[in-house]
Amino acid sequence: DIVMTQSPDSLAVSLGERATINCKSSQSVLSSANNKNYLAWYQRKPGQPPRLLIYWASTRESGVPDRFSGSGSGTDFTLTISSLQAEDVAVYYCQHYYSTPCSFGQGTKLEIK
Amino acid sequence: QVQLQESGPGLVKPSETLSLTCTVSGVSISNNYWSWIRQPPGKGLEWIGYIYYTGSTNYNPSLKSRVTISLDTSKNQFSLKLTSVTAADTAVYYCARGSTTSYAYWGQGTLVTVSS
Repeated sequence: DIVMTQSPDSLAVSLGERATINCKSSQSVLSSANNKNYLAWYQRKPGQPPRLLIYWASTRESGVPDRFSGSGSGTDFTLTISSLQAEDVAVYYCQHYYSTPCSFGQGTKLEIK
Repeated sequence: QVQLQESGPGLVKPSETLSLTCTVSGVSISNNYWSWIRQPPGKGLEWIGYIYYTGSTNYNPSLKSRVTISLDTSKNQFSLKLTSVTAADTAVYYCARGSTTSYAYWGQGTLVTVSS
């Protein structure tokens, strides 16, 4: 099974500043068949289900603000929030869907400094 | 618009069977995959398994011996049964659309506590 590890576990960033969350998979999630990375990012706020932000490692889901971006390939990935807003306070998760079982990172808690 | 809603008992006794139903609206349950995902308190998200509208299933090996996912196309619902539960099965249970994929549609989640 592929293990997803996020860093850091928690992060405090000032409003308007950049926030960066990292995700590493225990094996590559890049498919040689279609050159796609099977990696997604989610945002979860208290009392709500996870919200899909990014899929295929860098494709923004419809309705997601463009301050959210995803990058990386193979085993190392990054979620970047270019200018932190108050409503971005949440826990963020990465997920691979390269193989069964899919799995999630442990989560990164993002707060305002 | 696609909506999912979990329902079922919030409290289950140890060694008994946890049963949840997900009611889908806004889209037919047919021609889609449907998953169950859970999150124990203070822990990460865990994929439980999925079912296709044909009835074919795929389960997380860590739970496979205890899990059954089924569907009722007439009611546009799918269900989860988890047998022989312990305190470790206490979690928020989510239903979602998809198989081994990214999940754009989720239910609100329902907390199930295993306790006597």
